[in-house]
Amino acid sequence: AQKITQTQPGMFVQEKEAVTLDCTYDTSDPSYGLFWYKQPSSGEMIFLIYQGSYDQQNATEGRYSLNFQKARKSANLVISASQLGDSAMYFCAMRQWGYGGATNKLIFGTGTLLAVQP
Amino acid sequence: DVKVTQSSRYLVKRTGEKVFLECVQDMDHENMFWYRQDPGLGLRLIYFSYDVKMKEKGDIPEGYSVSREKKERFSLILESASTNQTSMYLCASSPHRGQVQETQYFGPGTRLLVL
Repeated sequence: AQKITQTQPGMFVQEKEAVTLDCTYDTSDPSYGLFWYKQPSSGEMIFLIYQGSYDQQNATEGRYSLNFQKARKSANLVISASQLGDSAMYFCAMRQWGYGGATNKLIFGTGTLLAVQP
Repeated sequence: DVKVTQSSRYLVKRTGEKVFLECVQDMDHENMFWYRQDPGLGLRLIYFSYDVKMKEKGDIPEGYSVSREKKERFSLILESASTNQTSMYLCASSPHRGQVQETQYFGPGTRLLVL
């Protein structure tokens, strides 16, 4: 069965420092997609970054990068130069596979609450 | 910009009441989803719909039903609300079926308290 694991329920980071949020996944499918979302206190889930299983390079989007280690089945999110506005809940998710290919469904981890300290 | 709106940010209902949570998206997306979010459990899929009048059960459909009469609107119905349905409910939509890189676009969520 496909599964996403986020082992860090919460983290602190100093403003302007980099932080890594861990995500491991379990799937037997060779083709899959991994996503990271940010959920601020307002509640809305915001898409941050995507990594495909066949992508040769780690995905980057501005201050966000994804440390994709396929053999270890990990897809850690790295936020560089943390800002106070980065304080939020962060979720890792994986596209669920089914008969005929990718389904519309995402499987989510339990999330990591990041607190950026001034 | 894709916009997904939910009818209420906060709702307080009594046990046994019938509750309707409404979600509207303005980007002509085929797929719409209802999730429930609880601390320590992440997001769990309740139902999703890939077309008008089409629906599929997610991981936790018990106690819920859905309705999709128009493409832009997806309603979640609690036939008889119970205290264990107190939660944050998130609606999402996505544009295509079967594209592995497609993200889902989320609404702001509805915090439901059942007393």
